[in-house]
Amino acid sequence: QVQLQESGPGLVKPSQTLSLTCTVSGGSISSGSYYWSWIRQPAGEGLEWIGRSDTSGSTKYNPSLKSRVTISVDTSRNQFSLNLNSVTAADTAVYYCARGQSGSYYYHWGQGTLVTVSS
Amino acid sequence: DIQVTQSPSFLSASVGDRVTITCRASQAISNYLAWYQQKPGKAPKLLIYAASTLQSGVPSRFSGSGSGTEFTLTISSLQPEDFATYYCQQLNNYPITFGQGTRLETK
Repeated sequence: QVQLQESGPGLVKPSQTLSLTCTVSGGSISSGSYYWSWIRQPAGEGLEWIGRSDTSGSTKYNPSLKSRVTISVDTSRNQFSLNLNSVTAADTAVYYCARGQSGSYYYHWGQGTLVTVSS
Repeated sequence: DIQVTQSPSFLSASVGDRVTITCRASQAISNYLAWYQQKPGKAPKLLIYAASTLQSGVPSRFSGSGSGTEFTLTISSLQPEDFATYYCQQLNNYPITFGQGTRLETK
């Protein structure tokens, strides 16, 4: 059974870069045709799709974040990552990694990691 | 962006009730719609995909319907474990967007 696990700093200073990694276990990140995705959720609010990458490096990002976000896949480590630069308090949220199948239906999710942007 | 609007935002119901949640898209999305259930502190769980296909392992009391711009999620007989927040998601166009959520509470 595929499992996803987010890791990274829980506290990031304003204007710095938020960097998270999602480690995939129980299967190879290279097998199948999936979209490796990041989704976030501010406390008490709804879900915001950040973007996705496939293993060829093809990416799609939310235009609201596009100039600040990079998603990449490392097949050798069975991981994918999120970098979000120039963060502000508005980027404080629980960040989820997820595997999109048949397009972007998300059956497999990480447990989520809270990232707080504060000085 | 395609806006996805859920109604109602809050719903009070009792065990055994039949409940329906509606999701409206700002433009036609064919059947590229999913429904998720989220409980506090947990990741969302996929219930329905392609508007009406039940994800494996999801109880049959959950059903989805619709196409184009209007979709519904129905729970035929509420069980205690169904009290949660429900989200719809469109994936016809990028960026993928979610509805604002429907919080289902016990009456």
